[in-house]
Amino acid sequence: QSVLTQPPSASGTPGQRVTISCFGSSSNIGGNYVYWYQQFPGTAPKLLIYRNNQRPSGVPDRFSGSKSGTSASLAISGLRSEDEADYYCAAWDDSLSGQWVFGGGTKLTVL
Amino acid sequence: QVQLVESGGGVVQPGRSLTLSCAASGYTFSRYGMHWVRQAPGKGLEWVALIWYDGSNTYYVDSVKGRFTISKDNSKNTLYLQMNSLRDEDTGVYYCAREDYSGGYDYWGQGTLVTVSS
Repeated sequence: QSVLTQPPSASGTPGQRVTISCFGSSSNIGGNYVYWYQQFPGTAPKLLIYRNNQRPSGVPDRFSGSKSGTSASLAISGLRSEDEADYYCAAWDDSLSGQWVFGGGTKLTVL
Repeated sequence: QVQLVESGGGVVQPGRSLTLSCAASGYTFSRYGMHWVRQAPGKGLEWVALIWYDGSNTYYVDSVKGRFTISKDNSKNTLYLQMNSLRDEDTGVYYCAREDYSGGYDYWGQGTLVTVSS
């Protein structure tokens, strides 16, 4: 059971806009930045969004992040077949002695 | 270019120890914090440990506290994860990752597989 809650799956057709949610609590998302990672099978994850809504250089502007209260969302517009991957949210958690926490991951399928 | 290369994975019996290494190159290793993140077969990502850029602070996921030790040798540009009292549930691919100034893990290694099995 992950500390951050994501839907296990999401899907969309090419060109559509899809959103992936990430629910947490006041000790993680509510008080800290949210990060999003993209992972293709058999490869290392890649940083997609940092500090809630910032894109690293090279990440297309089709990807956007937002945060409100204790939840966050990743939106992908103009969906493309190459976006089919697993997506994870992450945040620092201030509870106990502090630790990073990940969501369980969302497998995005492009139909 | 930044490169992170893990090594040290393998098959180990429950209760035994293993040390993972992550060799860094292409940047000033001593200026960045480093993480270990693992992924059990067919499962999601799990953060394991963090060490500050200068090694002065470390943090661990609850399930490995007291068993794993993260360390970094800034003179050798190498990150380590000493894993003791290994359990079946420690099985997975272990990635090292660099934490950039935004807090994100901007570079990752290719991962090294640890299999705990009798």
